[in-house]
Amino acid sequence: DVKVTQSSRYLVKRTGEKVFLECVQDMDHENMFWYRQDPGLGLRLIYFSYDVKMKEKGDIPEGYSVSREKKERFSLILESASTNQTSMYLCASRDSGTTNEKLFFGSGTQLSVL
Amino acid sequence: QKEVEQDPGPLSVPEGAIVSLNCTYSNSAFQYFMWYRQYSRKGPELLMYTYSSGNKEDGRFTAQVDKSSKYISLFIRDSQPSDSATYLCATQRRGNQGGKLIFGQGTELSVKP
Repeated sequence: DVKVTQSSRYLVKRTGEKVFLECVQDMDHENMFWYRQDPGLGLRLIYFSYDVKMKEKGDIPEGYSVSREKKERFSLILESASTNQTSMYLCASRDSGTTNEKLFFGSGTQLSVL
Repeated sequence: QKEVEQDPGPLSVPEGAIVSLNCTYSNSAFQYFMWYRQYSRKGPELLMYTYSSGNKEDGRFTAQVDKSSKYISLFIRDSQPSDSATYLCATQRRGNQGGKLIFGQGTELSVKP
């Protein structure tokens, strides 16, 4: 069965800390995505990656960076966490070879920045 | 203006009711339309997918797209408590590299037994 695994379900960090959110997929997908989900705002795209070492900014990249050193792993980095980055973070992957635009999501990481 | 607007919830209905969930979009370049379902403490899962105007049916679920009015709907017949979830509409431009989807805000649905 298809699986996207996010390393932490809940995370509590302090303002100014550097935060790493890890995501691993076992489907050999080329495309991976990081979204954040906030009440009333839906899912907003932070960054995405077409392939290893490739990345593109999404709609709200400020305050975030990403790393994709291996095909199966896509990391989201908060360089200096701030309280407005408290959110649910969702990782997703997609096979670029299909015509179906199906994204496979992880279960999410609920991050609280105090 | 958001590119995709979704009717705000929450929506509460009795078991067996017909549910209508709706979204509008602003860009006629959007060609693919999806509905994702998200259970509590889970990531979204693709429920329905269509790329043309008209209806697409899958069991108790019907996705409807009207490109002329830029309106998309999801109908749930004979709703069940297990349908209680947040429903997200999503759309994508044709030929958009990498599957970048634009999501609506989501509608939280509760089906009461």
